[in-house]
Amino acid sequence: TQLLEQSPQFLSIQEGENLTVYCNSSSVFSSLQWYRQEPGEGPVLLVTVVTGGEVKKLKRLTFQFGDARKDSSLHITAAQTGDTGLYLCAGASGGSNYKLTFGKGTLLTVNP
Amino acid sequence: DTGVSQDPRHKITKRGQNVTFRCDPISEHNRLYWYRQTLGQGPEFLTYFQNEAQLEKSRLLSDRFSAERPKGSFSTLEIQRTEQGDSAMYLCASKRLQGAGRGNTEAFFGQGTRLTVV
Repeated sequence: TQLLEQSPQFLSIQEGENLTVYCNSSSVFSSLQWYRQEPGEGPVLLVTVVTGGEVKKLKRLTFQFGDARKDSSLHITAAQTGDTGLYLCAGASGGSNYKLTFGKGTLLTVNP
Repeated sequence: DTGVSQDPRHKITKRGQNVTFRCDPISEHNRLYWYRQTLGQGPEFLTYFQNEAQLEKSRLLSDRFSAERPKGSFSTLEIQRTEQGDSAMYLCASKRLQGAGRGNTEAFFGQGTRLTVV
């Protein structure tokens, strides 16, 4: 069974601060996806990382995939209240048997 | 809006009743997934379809659960004799599976159906 551990589980910060959340696994994934989920809504895809060592930037968000494709991090610069939400990482098994395995998420609260 | 659509958004039912949820995937997405998410947890895989064929079922999917995708387009998830432990958000996702060597496309989720069993 492939497991994804996300840390921290909860994070509360002030607007303007920087933060990093982590997603770790003992398994190798063909790709890893980050989603943001708001209460009562489905997860919304932020980014997909595929290549070991890959770094992707989405405005103030920076995503990194570990060299061994087992772990990933999400860094947010100058957090805003609109960044509040549950951040989920999901590892994808590859090929025709594509299926996502999710971590439990990091619940981020950005206070004004 | 051409995203994944789920209906209803919310369902409250009494224990023992049957419920059915519907998912309309993004057009031309041949893969359709069902996940369940309980409070404080990430989504857990239940089952998936490629076109009309149900290819995998999780052990979480007890015999009270049944999913169909009869024409390879929309899908339904039925829960019979609901129990309080079935209370959760039921999420549907779809993706387009490309041919070998063409890489993987991404999965997109609907807004979910929140089930409360009282």
